This record gives sequence, structure tokens and C-alpha cells, in this order.
Amino acid sequence: AQSVAQPEDQVNVAEGNPLTVKCTYSVSGNPYLFWYVQYPNRGLQFLLKYITGDNLVKGSYGFEAEFNKSQTSFHLKKPSALVSDSALYFCAVRDPDRGAGRRALTFGSGTRLQVQP
Amino acid sequence: DTGVSQNPRHKITKRGQNVTFRCDPISEHNRLYWYRQTLGQGPEFLTYFQNEAQLEKSRLLSDRFSAERPKGSFSTLEIQRTEQGDSAMYLCASSFLSGFEETQYFGPGTRLLVL
Repeated sequence: AQSVAQPEDQVNVAEGNPLTVKCTYSVSGNPYLFWYVQYPNRGLQFLLKYITGDNLVKGSYGFEAEFNKSQTSFHLKKPSALVSDSALYFCAVRDPDRGAGRRALTFGSGTRLQVQP
Repeated sequence: DTGVSQNPRHKITKRGQNVTFRCDPISEHNRLYWYRQTLGQGPEFLTYFQNEAQLEKSRLLSDRFSAERPKGSFSTLEIQRTEQGDSAMYLCASSFLSGFEETQYFGPGTRLLVL
């Protein structure tokens, strides 16, 4: 079965400092990996995805993520955090090798990012 | 903005009542997903449609739950004889399959509270 782990419930960072939100995954085949952000009382907003190709993926709002196959990780990063980045971040995985009928994403439990002014 | 929309945004009901939620996907998206999110957890898959066909259902989708997408556009999720454990945020997402790639775009969700 596919699974995602986000080992940190909360990450605190000062505005202007770099941030990292960690994600590790487990799938039987090659993973499709996603990051979403959720603001209070709102749905999830897509940030970026890794399907294939360059291990460093760039997404919305200055976020990027690095795919590391040997460590089965897909950590989210941003060089300089903003107070407005404070939100709940979810990593998700899909195993495309499980067949056309299995399209659902499996999400981690989320990491709350708090950026202090 | 022509994103995914969901109605109602909030629903309070008494245990044993039936509720129905609606999701309008992004225009021309052929896939539509339902997820459930409880407090402190990530979304969990319930079911998905390709056009009007329901292709997969999760074990979470008990007999009290039913979903439809009659014309391949909007979808409804009905919960019969609600229980307090059904209290959660119900999220809808849509996508357009292009080759092997698809990105799911989520609506704002319907928050259900069962008293």
C-alpha cells in the first residue's frame, strides 16, 4: 500500500529565513508526488508536483521541492519565508503502477507552518 | 474564478437525518473525486468518477454513503442516517486526465456537523 509520512506536526521559522517541510513516502513503483497548502476554512491549493525528470521541482509562490529516490523523500522548501506562508501543508503520493483504476491520492497528516514576523 | 465549487459550505444536522452535498467541478474536467478530512488529518479518499462512471470506492464509503455524477458534470454525495462519526470536512476535487498526468484541484469543502 502507498503511504506518506510528514514527521513534523509543526515547523516554526522566522520571516526571511529558509524553510523546509519534510515528507517521506512509500510506494511499490515510481511515485507521483504532490504538495498542497490549506488555509483556514478553505480547501487545498495545489503547489507543485513531481512526475518525472528533474529532481528539483518549482511551484507556486516561490516554493520548490526536491525528489530524492534513494531516501524516498520529497521535501518542500522555500528560500525566504513570508508571514503569509503560515498554513497547513500536505504531501501526497500516487502510485501510477497500481493501474488505471487507482487514481486517488494518499495524503500525509499535514505539517503546520508558522512564520514569525 | 471558475474553480471547483461546493455547496453548502456548512451543514449542521441531527443524528439519523439524511444530507446531500453538491460539487461543481472545473469546466471540462472529466474526473471528479470525493475525500473526507477529519480534524488533524489529511484528506482520505472516498470515491471517484470518470465522466459519469464511478470507477472506485474506498472502504470508508459505507452503505450509508452514495455518490452520483449523472451527466458527467456536477456530483452529489448523500449520507443517509447520519452518525456523529460522519462529522468531517467533505472535499471535492476535479482533474483532467492528459496521458498519465493529472492534477487534482480542490473545492473549499463542505463542513458537516452531526449532533
